[in-house]
Formats: sequence, structure tokens, C-alpha cells
Amino acid sequence: KAGVTQTPRYLIKTRGQQVTLSCSPISGHRSVSWYQQTPGQGLQFLFEYFSETQRNKGNFPGRFSGRQFSNSRSEMNVSTLELGDSALYLCASSREYRAKGQFFGPGTRLTVL
Amino acid sequence: GQQVMQIPQYQHVQEGEDFTTYCNSSTTLSNIQWYKQRPGGHPVFLIQLVKSGEVKKQKRLTFQFGEAKKNSSLHITATQTTDVGTYFCAVRRGNTPLVFGKGTRLSVIA
Repeated sequence: KAGVTQTPRYLIKTRGQQVTLSCSPISGHRSVSWYQQTPGQGLQFLFEYFSETQRNKGNFPGRFSGRQFSNSRSEMNVSTLELGDSALYLCASSREYRAKGQFFGPGTRLTVL
Repeated sequence: GQQVMQIPQYQHVQEGEDFTTYCNSSTTLSNIQWYKQRPGGHPVFLIQLVKSGEVKKQKRLTFQFGEAKKNSSLHITATQTTDVGTYFCAVRRGNTPLVFGKGTRLSVIA
């Protein structure tokens, strides 16, 4: 069974631009969560989706948004990029909402110049 | 918001020595999960503990959940170079999302 896939794997943008990251969960998994990982702040929760509904949102500004599609694939969007948005963005899937254990994708490394 | 403290932040051990990381919460937890992230990799789910006082083993790894469900530990016996990485605990309380600790970075000197 294929794991969680994320595209693109690497991205370089400039301040003020926007970016869309994509996540395809493991087949049969209906819950997707997004995290931002930086050396200083560690793993910080962004969003949690289940059945196309946002179940939880982390403490991030409104520039960060996301959605989940009927096939469980998810996207997150960051508008008006800032230098501090440079991070590894990780997507994790699980079979059900709040299931035991999450399976992470390889992440998208975003660099904002 | 819910916080979880993980100590130590870093640990350097000689190969063959034991290693322990601790995760502490000021509030009672529904459950606790442990993940491992290798350098340059992504977090990998190791285990979930749910019951008070629970102890689970995976080969050289022993996981414990405190009696009060406020703390947990991960112990590795006789570390190997393949154990290198950052170990995270992650907790839920009620309907909150999964919150990760800052992690313990383990270095193993051969």
C-alpha cells in the first residue's frame, strides 16, 4: 500500500507570493492533518480534516487555509508569504478521525526568500 | 492551551548505553503517542498508550504511561546507531488536536 504522498517536495517562493501544497493520504484513510515543522518551534498543528470538514484549526493566521476533497486528498494554501513561513510542511493521515497513530508524508520543504 | 514538556532536549550516548526520554503534562491525558523522526525524514508512529500504568515493549524499546496519566517515558536498552533521531511524544486531551512535544534528539556514538 502506498504511503502518504506530498507534492511538491521542495518549493522556493518570494515574500508576498502564495503557495498551494497537496497531500494524498494512504488509500482508505479519511482523516488528514497538517503540521508546520521548524527548528525553533518544533511540530505545530495547522489543520485537521475528516470527511471534507475541518475539525480543528491551529493557532495560525488567516493566511493559512486548507480543504479536503471527497477523495480525502487535501490541500493547504498560504497567501502573502512571509520569511517566517519557511518550514517543512508535513501532512499526516489516519483511517478515522482521532484514530490511533498518524502516518506522515515526506513533507514539502518551503523556502521563502 | 495544552502543553507537554519533553526532556531532555538532547542526549548523546555511547553505543550500547541505555537512553530514556520523558514526557510530562500538567493535566490528565486521554492517551499518549510516541513518534520517531530520523534525520532528514518524517515522523514515524511508534505506539499509543491509553491505560493508566500501561507498559508496552517493542524489542529494545519500552514505553510507560504513568499511573495518573500525566507522564510517559520511552526507554531504549543498549542503543544502536540505528536509534539515532528525534523522539516525540504527542498527546490529546478531550477533543483537542494532537499536540507534539519538542522532542528529544538522540545521538549515538559508535
